[in-house]
Amino acid sequence: QQQVKQSPQSLIVQKGGISIINCAYENTAFDYFPWYQQFPGKGPALLIAIRPDVSEKKEGRFTISFNKSAKQFSLHIMDSQPGDSATYFCAAEVQGGSEKLVFGKGTKLTVNP
Amino acid sequence: KAGVTQTPRYLIKTRGQQVTLSCSPISGHRSVSWYQQTPGQGLQFLFEYFSETQRNKGNFPGRFSGRQFSNSRSEMNVSTLELGDSALYLCASSFSPDTEAFFGQGTRLTVV
Repeated sequence: QQQVKQSPQSLIVQKGGISIINCAYENTAFDYFPWYQQFPGKGPALLIAIRPDVSEKKEGRFTISFNKSAKQFSLHIMDSQPGDSATYFCAAEVQGGSEKLVFGKGTKLTVNP
Repeated sequence: KAGVTQTPRYLIKTRGQQVTLSCSPISGHRSVSWYQQTPGQGLQFLFEYFSETQRNKGNFPGRFSGRQFSNSRSEMNVSTLELGDSALYLCASSFSPDTEAFFGQGTRLTVV
């Protein structure tokens, strides 16, 4: 059973456009929802994270929207740039608990110049 | 501040052999977790160590083991390697089990 479902698998946007990646989770005990960015040959890098007590968090061009009742969260990348082309992973965790980071399958984002 | 350091970066092993991978966490971080990344299964949790104690273990066979030393450095070992163990093995460190995790660049293991 896949605890965190991520969509789409791949995404192509034009430079300056908005990239939107969605995730849904099953376990209501999850209390920490990070997004990671991974470039080829590199490890995942923490991009932004949110906890269920807030509905939105913004850092620069990156925004997480969180819907606790629907058990969904999404990443919005505003003004997408070619340098944003990477694979993005959502994850969920019970921090300090037994459910360590559970990852979605990833979204390969391509931003065309 | 140095990041998470994993060694070696690349390894080629023969089926049936064993392998040890090393992870040095960010200075001051005492929690280390290991993940396996493959194209088919994605990123999967292997185990977590904090203060030299294994706190959690993922759903992997007993051939996968690990340990953490008093300086927080960690090693993972895979015995009797199988072709399916070919993967990118990632180490993540955090100050404690309930704080954000930072990943290293990984060790690419190829089993032939």
